[in-house]
Amino acid sequence: SQKIEQNSEALNIQEGKTATLTCNYTNYSPAYLQWYRQDPGRGPVFLLLIRENEKEKRKERLKVTFDTTLKQSLFHITASQPADSATYLCALTGGGNKLTFGTGTQLKVEL
Amino acid sequence: DVKVTQSSRYLVKRTGEKVFLECVQDMDHENMFWYRQDPGLGLRLIYFSYDVKMKEKGDIPEGYSVSREKKERFSLILESASTNQTSMYLCASSLANNEQFFGPGTRLTVL
Repeated sequence: SQKIEQNSEALNIQEGKTATLTCNYTNYSPAYLQWYRQDPGRGPVFLLLIRENEKEKRKERLKVTFDTTLKQSLFHITASQPADSATYLCALTGGGNKLTFGTGTQLKVEL
Repeated sequence: DVKVTQSSRYLVKRTGEKVFLECVQDMDHENMFWYRQDPGLGLRLIYFSYDVKMKEKGDIPEGYSVSREKKERFSLILESASTNQTSMYLCASSLANNEQFFGPGTRLTVL
């Protein structure tokens, strides 16, 4: 069956460091992959979209890579700040309008 | 700015009651979605709609129905609420093959 895995353990890092979050998938041929941020008690907010023919995408301090051979996406936040603390969700689609979400990884950036 | 609004932030209902959750978007998006989010299970798609009066089942449609009479409005209906439907309900909208915009969520408790 199709499966999306994100590290369920919280990631704690120090302010200023680079946070790297992982999204692995199996039994999928995604057309594109998205990353969202979710704060407690709120709806997810879209961050980045990367297509299957793209290796890397950047937006300000964010970088996403997409390796369809490894079936993995990495999400990086450089120069992390306490305000980056949140849960980050990856989501895949096979090309239709329907997204399947991972369970998310909680990031905590400490002073 | 895209805005997706949901009728209630918090809702408490009794077992067996009929429950309506309303979602409105103001960006003329053709696609609308209903998810529920539970700890450890992540976001799961209940139903989605790609056009007025059109609907498709998501991954967990049992116990739910939907209505889309107007493009901007997508309603989720619990015909007879049960305690296992206690959850956070999130509505989203999108253009085709694009990022989803989420509402603030409705936290439903069924007693």
